[in-house]
Amino acid sequence: GAVVSQHPSRVICKSGTSVKIECRSLDFQATTMFWYRQFPKQSLMLMATSNEGSKATYEQGVEKDKFLINHASLTLSTLTVTSAHPEDSSFYICSQTSGGAPDTQYFGPGTRLTVL
Amino acid sequence: QKEVEQDPGPLSVPEGAIVSLNCTYSNSAFQYFMWYRQYSRKGPELLMYTYSSGNKEDGRFTAQVDKSSKYISLFIRDSQPSDSATYLCAMNGANFGNEKLTFGTGTRLTIIP
Repeated sequence: GAVVSQHPSRVICKSGTSVKIECRSLDFQATTMFWYRQFPKQSLMLMATSNEGSKATYEQGVEKDKFLINHASLTLSTLTVTSAHPEDSSFYICSQTSGGAPDTQYFGPGTRLTVL
Repeated sequence: QKEVEQDPGPLSVPEGAIVSLNCTYSNSAFQYFMWYRQYSRKGPELLMYTYSSGNKEDGRFTAQVDKSSKYISLFIRDSQPSDSATYLCAMNGANFGNEKLTFGTGTRLTIIP
């Protein structure tokens, strides 16, 4: 399967600061990447679909001005949590599609964000 | 009602037992069915996928899909302590090209040595 990396793996920040999370596709050019959020003992919640060279598509209830997504190249998508607050503390995971049939997704290792 | 229902568990079984994990769904447009394994504080890992109804076997793992009942299962034979993880079912439709997945809540499984 495809290899996806994320950086950083863990970040702790103060309330009000912005945090950028990188998602890289290491062996595949991904035109589309997905960003998920997972709270403890809960399933993955899709936040947005990131398309290379165009604006991301956000799920209902996800603030696009708070969660900025940039997919500038076929191997890199970034999620910036702006003015982070303690309720934004969560596990953020990106994924990319396989590009074939079926369109399975391969996930990165995740980034644990803690906002103090 | 959620589109995909999965018993969150936790489920504990002794080593060597057969494990049965299940999901039900309501959207008849779903065509592809996947099972992911997620260890604590890690991203989900794709175990296997199945298209439409039928069975698929990969080593100790067998995936079954019954579209008439909207019911999918994952069986783990000869379970090992290393199988202890959260198992998530996921599914999407027949539109290739970046269609989002709908996930179950995940079942926490513990294999007791």
